[in-house]
Amino acid sequence: GQQLNQSPQSMFIQEGEDVSMNCTSSSIFNTWLWYKQDPGEGPVLLIALYKAGELTSNGRLTAQFGITRKDSFLNISASIPSDVGIYFCAGQAPTGANNLFFGTGTRLTVIP
Amino acid sequence: GAVVSQHPSRVICKSGTSVKIECRSLDFQATTMFWYRQFPKQSLMLMATSNEGSKATYEQGVEKDKFLINHASLTLSTLTVTSAHPEDSSFYICSARAVSYEQYFGPGTRLTVT
Repeated sequence: GQQLNQSPQSMFIQEGEDVSMNCTSSSIFNTWLWYKQDPGEGPVLLIALYKAGELTSNGRLTAQFGITRKDSFLNISASIPSDVGIYFCAGQAPTGANNLFFGTGTRLTVIP
Repeated sequence: GAVVSQHPSRVICKSGTSVKIECRSLDFQATTMFWYRQFPKQSLMLMATSNEGSKATYEQGVEKDKFLINHASLTLSTLTVTSAHPEDSSFYICSARAVSYEQYFGPGTRLTVT
């Protein structure tokens, strides 16, 4: 199936730093979702976006649905060690299909 | 809310045997559930979409006779890996779709075929 381009692939940051990652697609999406996955666990939904231009926050996390509907970004402010994990973006295409298309993931390491 | 459970969390089986994995939405009804497979350090790969009361829709390259899916109720879907082989060893994750397009994932099942 289609995969979204997610960058960066991995990040090593110092505790307290801000983090930014993004996801792009060649086609438009109706919905963008951001998930975090810890090792050996299923992904956990962080933020859901439903409208182009929408900016939504969840604690230290902020995500935006791009105006073109072909991209989204996720920011994490003041990172802490428990932010470590793999972050996936996912998009819902406007084709009527139920499934999500997933990004390739961003592996985040926070150095205390 | 929106909790999805998966059982078992880990299973080791011998080559040639079958394994059943259960996925349950605990606090909401899910007309649609999804089964994914994930290899180490890779993203999730959709295997099939399971709709309550109808046959599952399989992605290209996924053998429907090998990966049997049953979605008998609005809160339960099962994936049976038939005649498992070592190459079927993987992390299998289910998700359930709520009324919105949000998908909530189970904790995953680590299958090891010896």
